[in-house]
Amino acid sequence: GAGVSQTPSNKVTEKGKYVELRCDPISGHTALYWYRQSLGQGPEFLIYFQGTGAADDSGLPNDRFFAVRPEGSVSTLKIQRTERGDSAVYLCASSLGGARETQYFGPGTRLLVL
Amino acid sequence: AQSVAQPEDQVNVAEGNPLTVKCTYSVSGNPYLFWYVQYPNRGLQFLLKYITGDNLVKGSYGFEAEFNKSQTSFHLKKPSALVSDSALYFCAVRDSNSGYALNFGKGTSLLVTP
Repeated sequence: GAGVSQTPSNKVTEKGKYVELRCDPISGHTALYWYRQSLGQGPEFLIYFQGTGAADDSGLPNDRFFAVRPEGSVSTLKIQRTERGDSAVYLCASSLGGARETQYFGPGTRLLVL
Repeated sequence: AQSVAQPEDQVNVAEGNPLTVKCTYSVSGNPYLFWYVQYPNRGLQFLLKYITGDNLVKGSYGFEAEFNKSQTSFHLKKPSALVSDSALYFCAVRDSNSGYALNFGKGTSLLVTP
């Protein structure tokens, strides 16, 4: 079956601009996660959705970042007033709802802020 | 608080030899442990996980990992390495006392030479 998909695969923007990154989870997965991976590092947690609601947004670095999942499927990560330090690969993952379930990752969106 | 350490930035192995990629963790509750592999410009692919039960876990592509509670370790192993195993390997932990976010190590680059 289809895995997690993310669009765009690459995004180049200028400092101060607004960007949206999209994630399509595996069909039937109720849990959705966003992570950020900087060069040479492991992924860092940003936010977790269970259904339509953000169950844990403790990883969002500041109020320029927010994410939505209005219908409990597709999610959009939104970054306002982008900064060069936001440049990273943004990974989305989805899983079935339980705490022991495996998270399956998409290919990521590579964001470059000039 | 939960954390993961991957003490080796790089592991070099000759094809056909056994390989080990090390991982240690720290959690306050029970650990849920995962290994993922990342190929260049690709997302993370799930290899295996330990939730409960047998300490030796078998996963994809001939990989296995051994959970050692006393040493708080979850080392990844394979009896006979292939050149195609060359990639970046990430260990991740989730604490049963915490939320659903995975905490990743920095990653270990595995190079298998012919």
